[in-house]
Amino acid sequence: DQQVKQNSPSLSVQEGRISILNCDYTNSMFDYFLWYKKYPAEGPTFLISISSIKDKNEDGRFTVFLNKSAKHLSLHIVPSQPGDSAVYFCAPIRAMYSGGGADGLTFGKGTHLIIQP
Amino acid sequence: NAGVTQTPKFQVLKTGQSMTLQCAQDMNHEYMSWYRQDPGMGLRLIHYSVGAGITDQGEVPNGYNVSRSTTEDFPLRLLSAAPSQTSVYFCASSRRATGGVGSGLDDEQFFGPGTRLTVL
Repeated sequence: DQQVKQNSPSLSVQEGRISILNCDYTNSMFDYFLWYKKYPAEGPTFLISISSIKDKNEDGRFTVFLNKSAKHLSLHIVPSQPGDSAVYFCAPIRAMYSGGGADGLTFGKGTHLIIQP
Repeated sequence: NAGVTQTPKFQVLKTGQSMTLQCAQDMNHEYMSWYRQDPGMGLRLIHYSVGAGITDQGEVPNGYNVSRSTTEDFPLRLLSAAPSQTSVYFCASSRRATGGVGSGLDDEQFFGPGTRLTVL
Protein backbone atom coordinates (compact mmCIF):
# COMPACT_ATOMS: atom_id res chain seq x y z
CA ASP A 1 0.00 0.00 0.00
CA GLN A 2 1.55 3.26 -1.15
CA GLN A 3 1.98 5.72 1.66
CA VAL A 4 3.06 8.48 -0.70
CA LYS A 5 1.34 9.11 -4.02
CA GLN A 6 2.43 11.35 -6.84
CA ASN A 7 -0.34 10.73 -9.31
CA SER A 8 1.13 12.61 -12.25
CA PRO A 9 3.99 10.57 -13.75
CA SER A 10 4.84 13.49 -16.02
CA LEU A 11 4.04 17.16 -16.43
CA SER A 12 4.86 19.46 -19.32
CA VAL A 13 5.00 23.22 -18.68
CA GLN A 14 6.03 26.12 -20.86
CA GLU A 15 9.11 28.06 -19.85
CA GLY A 16 8.21 31.05 -17.69
CA ARG A 17 4.91 29.59 -16.51
CA ILE A 18 4.15 28.03 -13.15
CA SER A 19 4.79 24.34 -12.50
CA ILE A 20 2.67 22.68 -9.81
CA LEU A 21 3.63 19.22 -8.61
CA ASN A 22 1.33 17.38 -6.23
CA CYS A 23 1.84 14.78 -3.54
CA ASP A 24 -0.67 12.95 -1.35
CA TYR A 25 0.14 10.83 1.68
CA THR A 26 -1.79 8.46 3.88
CA ASN A 27 0.37 8.08 7.00
CA SER A 28 -0.69 10.71 9.53
CA MET A 29 2.58 10.17 11.41
CA PHE A 30 4.55 11.93 8.69
CA ASP A 31 5.53 15.27 10.15
CA TYR A 32 8.29 16.55 7.90
CA PHE A 33 8.14 16.66 4.14
CA LEU A 34 11.00 16.95 1.71
CA TRP A 35 11.21 17.38 -2.03
CA TYR A 36 14.11 15.95 -3.98
CA LYS A 37 15.06 16.64 -7.57
CA LYS A 38 16.77 14.08 -9.76
CA TYR A 39 18.51 14.46 -13.09
CA PRO A 40 19.21 11.39 -15.28
CA ALA A 41 22.27 9.35 -14.24
CA GLU A 42 22.62 11.33 -11.01
CA GLY A 43 21.51 10.82 -7.44
CA PRO A 44 18.62 12.84 -6.00
CA THR A 45 19.44 16.24 -4.50
CA PHE A 46 17.51 18.00 -1.76
CA LEU A 47 15.34 20.87 -2.98
CA ILE A 48 13.05 22.18 -0.25
CA SER A 49 11.26 20.98 2.87
CA ILE A 50 8.37 21.87 5.14
CA SER A 51 7.53 20.99 8.71
CA SER A 52 4.00 19.91 9.63
CA ILE A 53 3.66 22.94 11.88
CA LYS A 54 3.74 25.18 8.82
CA ASP A 55 1.53 25.44 5.79
CA LYS A 56 3.96 27.17 3.46
CA ASN A 57 7.69 27.39 2.92
CA GLU A 58 9.33 29.49 0.24
CA ASP A 59 12.84 29.44 -1.18
CA GLY A 60 13.39 31.61 -4.20
CA ARG A 61 11.37 30.27 -7.12
CA PHE A 62 10.25 27.24 -5.11
CA THR A 63 7.31 27.18 -2.70
CA VAL A 64 5.88 24.16 -0.94
CA PHE A 65 2.35 24.21 0.46
CA LEU A 66 1.07 21.73 3.02
CA ASN A 67 -2.59 20.94 3.73
CA LYS A 68 -2.46 18.60 6.71
CA SER A 69 -6.18 17.97 6.90
CA ALA A 70 -6.20 16.81 3.28
CA LYS A 71 -2.83 15.07 3.63
CA HIS A 72 -1.71 16.89 0.54
CA LEU A 73 1.27 18.97 -0.41
CA SER A 74 2.29 20.73 -3.55
CA LEU A 75 5.48 22.19 -4.96
CA HIS A 76 5.19 25.37 -7.00
CA ILE A 77 7.98 26.52 -9.28
CA VAL A 78 7.64 29.97 -10.75
CA PRO A 79 8.85 30.97 -13.21
CA SER A 80 9.77 27.57 -14.63
CA GLN A 81 13.15 27.34 -16.33
CA PRO A 82 14.65 24.72 -18.67
CA GLY A 83 17.05 23.59 -15.93
CA ASP A 84 14.03 22.59 -13.84
CA SER A 85 13.40 19.66 -16.18
CA ALA A 86 13.95 16.68 -13.89
CA VAL A 87 12.13 14.07 -11.84
CA TYR A 88 10.75 15.43 -8.56
CA PHE A 89 10.18 13.16 -5.58
CA CYS A 90 8.06 13.88 -2.56
CA ALA A 91 9.69 12.24 0.50
CA PRO A 92 8.07 12.56 3.93
CA ILE A 93 9.61 11.35 7.18
CA ARG A 94 8.37 10.58 10.67
CA ALA A 95 10.72 12.92 12.45
CA MET A 96 9.11 12.55 15.89
CA TYR A 97 8.53 8.82 15.65
CA SER A 98 9.75 7.12 18.81
CA GLY A 99 9.12 3.51 17.89
CA GLY A 100 12.76 2.82 17.31
CA GLY A 101 14.81 2.76 14.17
CA ALA A 102 15.54 5.45 11.69
CA ASP A 103 13.30 4.56 8.81
CA GLY A 104 14.70 6.99 6.32
CA LEU A 105 12.86 8.68 3.52
CA THR A 106 9.62 7.30 2.06
CA PHE A 107 9.64 8.29 -1.59
CA GLY A 108 6.75 8.77 -3.96
CA LYS A 109 7.12 7.45 -7.50
CA GLY A 110 8.11 10.86 -8.77
CA THR A 111 6.85 13.32 -11.35
CA HIS A 112 8.88 13.95 -14.48
CA LEU A 113 8.71 17.69 -15.13
CA ILE A 114 9.46 18.80 -18.67
CA ILE A 115 9.90 22.52 -19.32
CA GLN A 116 9.14 23.39 -22.92
CA PRO A 117 11.02 26.35 -24.45
CA ASN B 1 35.16 17.06 -0.72
CA ALA B 2 34.19 14.23 -3.04
CA GLY B 3 30.86 13.80 -1.23
CA VAL B 4 29.31 10.36 -1.65
CA THR B 5 31.05 8.08 -4.12
CA GLN B 6 29.81 4.75 -5.45
CA THR B 7 31.58 2.06 -7.43
CA PRO B 8 31.06 0.55 -9.87
CA LYS B 9 28.80 2.75 -12.02
CA PHE B 10 27.53 -0.23 -14.01
CA GLN B 11 27.59 -3.97 -13.36
CA VAL B 12 26.17 -7.04 -15.07
CA LEU B 13 25.89 -10.25 -13.08
CA LYS B 14 24.65 -13.72 -13.75
CA THR B 15 22.02 -15.26 -11.49
CA GLY B 16 23.67 -16.71 -8.41
CA GLN B 17 26.80 -14.58 -8.52
CA SER B 18 27.75 -12.44 -5.57
CA MET B 19 29.20 -8.96 -5.50
CA THR B 20 29.72 -5.91 -3.33
CA LEU B 21 28.60 -2.41 -4.19
CA GLN B 22 30.94 0.11 -2.64
CA CYS B 23 29.92 3.38 -1.02
CA ALA B 24 32.16 5.93 0.66
CA GLN B 25 31.66 9.44 2.02
CA ASP B 26 34.22 11.97 3.19
CA MET B 27 31.89 14.26 5.14
CA ASN B 28 32.21 12.43 8.48
CA HIS B 29 28.50 11.63 8.39
CA GLU B 30 27.15 9.22 10.97
CA TYR B 31 24.09 8.10 9.02
CA MET B 32 24.40 6.12 5.80
CA SER B 33 21.80 4.20 3.85
CA TRP B 34 21.17 2.22 0.70
CA TYR B 35 18.16 2.65 -1.58
CA ARG B 36 17.09 0.93 -4.75
CA GLN B 37 15.08 2.51 -7.53
CA ASP B 38 13.09 0.41 -9.96
CA PRO B 39 11.43 1.75 -13.14
CA GLY B 40 8.38 3.87 -12.37
CA MET B 41 9.03 3.59 -8.64
CA GLY B 42 10.35 5.80 -5.94
CA LEU B 43 13.46 4.91 -4.01
CA ARG B 44 13.04 2.19 -1.40
CA LEU B 45 15.26 1.80 1.66
CA ILE B 46 17.27 -1.44 1.81
CA HIS B 47 19.52 -1.05 4.87
CA TYR B 48 20.82 1.81 6.94
CA SER B 49 23.46 2.53 9.55
CA VAL B 50 23.39 5.14 12.31
CA GLY B 51 27.11 4.80 13.01
CA ALA B 52 30.11 2.51 12.75
CA GLY B 53 29.21 -0.99 13.91
CA ILE B 54 25.44 -0.36 13.85
CA THR B 55 23.20 -1.43 10.97
CA ASP B 56 19.50 -2.12 10.58
CA GLN B 57 17.03 -3.24 7.95
CA GLY B 58 14.92 -0.96 5.84
CA GLU B 59 11.85 -1.70 3.75
CA VAL B 60 13.37 -4.23 1.31
CA PRO B 61 16.38 -5.94 2.99
CA ASN B 62 16.03 -9.50 1.67
CA GLY B 63 18.97 -10.71 -0.40
CA TYR B 64 21.32 -7.98 0.82
CA ASN B 65 23.88 -7.72 3.60
CA VAL B 66 25.64 -4.66 4.95
CA SER B 67 28.35 -3.86 7.44
CA ARG B 68 29.81 -0.62 8.78
CA SER B 69 33.33 -1.07 10.06
CA THR B 70 34.30 2.57 9.51
CA THR B 71 32.44 5.86 9.44
CA GLU B 72 33.41 6.41 5.82
CA ASP B 73 32.41 3.13 4.17
CA PHE B 74 29.10 1.31 3.86
CA PRO B 75 29.29 -1.58 1.37
CA LEU B 76 26.20 -3.45 0.16
CA ARG B 77 26.61 -7.16 -0.55
CA LEU B 78 24.45 -9.23 -2.85
CA LEU B 79 24.88 -12.79 -1.65
CA SER B 80 23.33 -14.63 -4.59
CA ALA B 81 22.10 -12.26 -7.29
CA ALA B 82 18.61 -12.70 -8.71
CA PRO B 83 16.96 -10.99 -11.71
CA SER B 84 14.60 -9.25 -9.25
CA GLN B 85 17.63 -7.34 -7.97
CA THR B 86 18.10 -5.60 -11.30
CA SER B 87 17.83 -1.99 -10.28
CA VAL B 88 19.67 1.26 -9.73
CA TYR B 89 21.22 1.45 -6.30
CA PHE B 90 21.82 4.70 -4.46
CA CYS B 91 23.88 5.24 -1.35
CA ALA B 92 23.15 8.26 0.83
CA SER B 93 24.65 9.88 3.90
CA SER B 94 23.69 12.61 6.33
CA ARG B 95 25.04 14.09 9.52
CA ARG B 96 22.30 12.55 11.64
CA ALA B 97 19.67 9.88 11.18
CA THR B 98 16.65 10.46 8.99
CA GLY B 99 13.37 9.40 10.52
CA GLY B 100 12.74 8.87 14.23
CA VAL B 101 13.03 11.13 17.23
CA GLY B 102 15.95 13.46 16.90
CA SER B 103 15.95 13.24 13.11
CA GLY B 104 18.25 15.71 11.51
CA LEU B 105 15.50 17.92 10.22
CA ASP B 106 18.06 20.34 8.90
CA ASP B 107 20.50 17.68 7.86
CA GLU B 108 20.34 17.09 4.18
CA GLN B 109 20.78 13.58 2.83
CA PHE B 110 23.46 13.49 0.17
CA PHE B 111 23.11 10.84 -2.50
CA GLY B 112 25.77 9.17 -4.58
CA PRO B 113 25.45 8.97 -8.39
CA GLY B 114 24.12 5.40 -8.31
CA THR B 115 25.14 1.94 -9.51
CA ARG B 116 23.11 0.44 -12.33
CA LEU B 117 22.97 -3.32 -11.78
CA THR B 118 21.63 -5.87 -14.24
CA VAL B 119 21.20 -9.51 -13.24
CA LEU B 120 20.75 -11.94 -16.11
